[in-house]
This record gives sequence, C-alpha cells and structure tokens, in this order.
Amino acid sequence: GAGVSQTPSNKVTEKGKYVELRCDPISGHTALYWYRQSLGQGPEFLIYFQGTGAADDSGLPNDRFFAVRPEGSVSTLKIQRTERGDSAVYLCASSPPSSSRNQPQHFGDGTRLSIL
Amino acid sequence: GESVGLHLPTLSVQEGDNSIINCAYSNSASDYFIWYKQESGKGPQFIIDIRSNMDKRQGQRVTVLLNKTVKHLSLQIAATQPGDSAVYFCAENINSGGGADGLTFGKGTHLIIQP
Repeated sequence: GAGVSQTPSNKVTEKGKYVELRCDPISGHTALYWYRQSLGQGPEFLIYFQGTGAADDSGLPNDRFFAVRPEGSVSTLKIQRTERGDSAVYLCASSPPSSSRNQPQHFGDGTRLSIL
Repeated sequence: GESVGLHLPTLSVQEGDNSIINCAYSNSASDYFIWYKQESGKGPQFIIDIRSNMDKRQGQRVTVLLNKTVKHLSLQIAATQPGDSAVYFCAENINSGGGADGLTFGKGTHLIIQP
C-alpha cells in the first residue's frame, strides 16, 4: 500500500519568505508527526497530532513554525519569515490507532528545504 | 542530558559477517525503543522495536537487545548484505505521562559493507 507522501520533495526559497510543506499520512493512521533533520544528525521532534488536534507541539523551535491537520488526515507545516538556519530535511511520520501508546512511526522521504 | 546516543559514528564490516550496532540512552523513563535504517535521500525505515518489559526481540535477520540496567540497546544484523549499507538510528519514546509520543533519536551509525 501507499506509504507516507510528502510534497514537495525539494523546496528552495529566499530568506524571509513563507513556505508550506505537505504530508499525506498512511490511510487510516490517526497519529501524525513532524520532525526536522539536519545534515549528519538524527531527526528532531517538532509536533504530534492525534486526529485533528496538536497533542504535543513542544518541539516547535519558535512561533514562526505552525502546523495544521484540519480534517485529521493531511497535514501542513508552515514556516513564516524563513531563516537560513531553517534549512533542513523536514520529515513526516504516521502511526496507526492503537490502545497502546507505543506504535512504530512510519516515515515519508521528507522535504529538503533550502533557504538562500 | 536526556538523549539517545551511539558509540560509533561508522562501522565497517565484511559482507556475510554479523554486525552489531550499539546505542546508549540516559533516560530511565524511556519505555519504548525503535531501530531505523536510513538510506541516502530517503526517510527512516522501521526495522524493529522493543518495549521496556522485554530484553530481546528477533525479526528477520535482526535482533534487538535491551539492557535496562546499563541503559544500553543494540541491533544485531546477521549475515550482512550490501543492501544493509545505511545509517542506523536508535530512537526512544520517553514515558512522561503526558501522552507525548515524539521520538528522541541519536546521531546514527553509518554501516559500511566491505565486499
């Protein structure tokens, strides 16, 4: 079946611009996660959705970052007034509903964001 | 700090040999651990997971060992193949009681398979 889909795969923009990154989770997965991965590092948690609501946004670095999931499926990560330090690969993951809080997260291939 | 780390940034093994990738974690509240494989330009791919009430779990050609006494996690890959070349990450889920499920990743070990 289809995995997690992220678009665009690459995004190049100028400092100060606004960007939106899209994530289509695996069908039926209720939990959705955003991570950011810098070169040579492991992914860093940004935000977690359970259904439509952000259950944990403690990883968002500042108020320029915002994410939504209005219908409990597709999610958009929005970054305002981009800075060169925002350059990274932004990864999305999803996991299925379960009575156990611990389920494997399945990742997309990410959006490589480059801020010039 | 509270983080998951790896002992070696690069591990080189001969094709056909067994590989062991190690990981140390510092948070005793962690109750769930996952190993991921990441190839260049791709997202992390789930390999195997283990819960803190277990000390060993086996999959196809892979085994994960968890030693909670010394906060150590390892991934064993049997009969390593060229397709196993990738960066391997361990990740933990800290049971903070608040329902947060974001994973904490280490920096990764680059596994290189020598022919």
